Amino acid sequence: EAGVTQSPTHLIKTRGQQATLRCSPISGHTSVYWYQQALGLGLQFLLWYDEGEERNRGNFPPRFSGRQFPNYSSELNVNALELEDSALYLCASSPRLGLGANVLTFGAGSRLTVL
Amino acid sequence: QKEVEQNSGPLSVPEGAIASLNCTYSDRGSQSFFWYRQYSGKSPELIMSIYSNGDKEDGRFTAQLNKASQYVSLLIRDSQPSDSATYLCAVKSTSGTYKYIFGTGTRLKVLA
Repeated sequence: EAGVTQSPTHLIKTRGQQATLRCSPISGHTSVYWYQQALGLGLQFLLWYDEGEERNRGNFPPRFSGRQFPNYSSELNVNALELEDSALYLCASSPRLGLGANVLTFGAGSRLTVL
Repeated sequence: QKEVEQNSGPLSVPEGAIASLNCTYSDRGSQSFFWYRQYSGKSPELIMSIYSNGDKEDGRFTAQLNKASQYVSLLIRDSQPSDSATYLCAVKSTSGTYKYIFGTGTRLKVLA
């Protein structure tokens, strides 16, 4: 069974540009979570999508946005990039129902560098 | 106050010793608690989950939960150098927000 896949692995952008990161959940999983992990700051909750809808978002400005597609894959968009957006962006998926809904399986992450 | 707090460490223990990792959380509506391990340069992976007060054991790992004190801990018995990693405490609230929040992690070093 394929795990959570994220692309691209690495992305280099300059200030003011836009970045798009993509995530494919495990087959059968309907929930997708996005986290930002900046150096030394732990995982900061960004967004939670389930069944195509945004269910919750963390304390990030509106230039962080995303969507979930009918096949449950997701993309994270970061507009007007700032230097402090440089981080590892982790996507995780879980089933919607049952005990498995409590367990997140993470992808390998996309490392965004803003110059 | 942070929603989930952990001591950043590093926590250094000799090989074969018990490592004790602690976590406190602020949301009393939290129902589900997790410990994830993250090796350097890798993504987090689940070690343990616990949902009710008391202890839960799985091999060398024991999770402990005290909801009244809003406290979760992870004990690692017979620590091995391969246990050296950052341990992340995560809390899932079901009190309307359904947020899945992580602490900043405790870095564990097991010395051979």
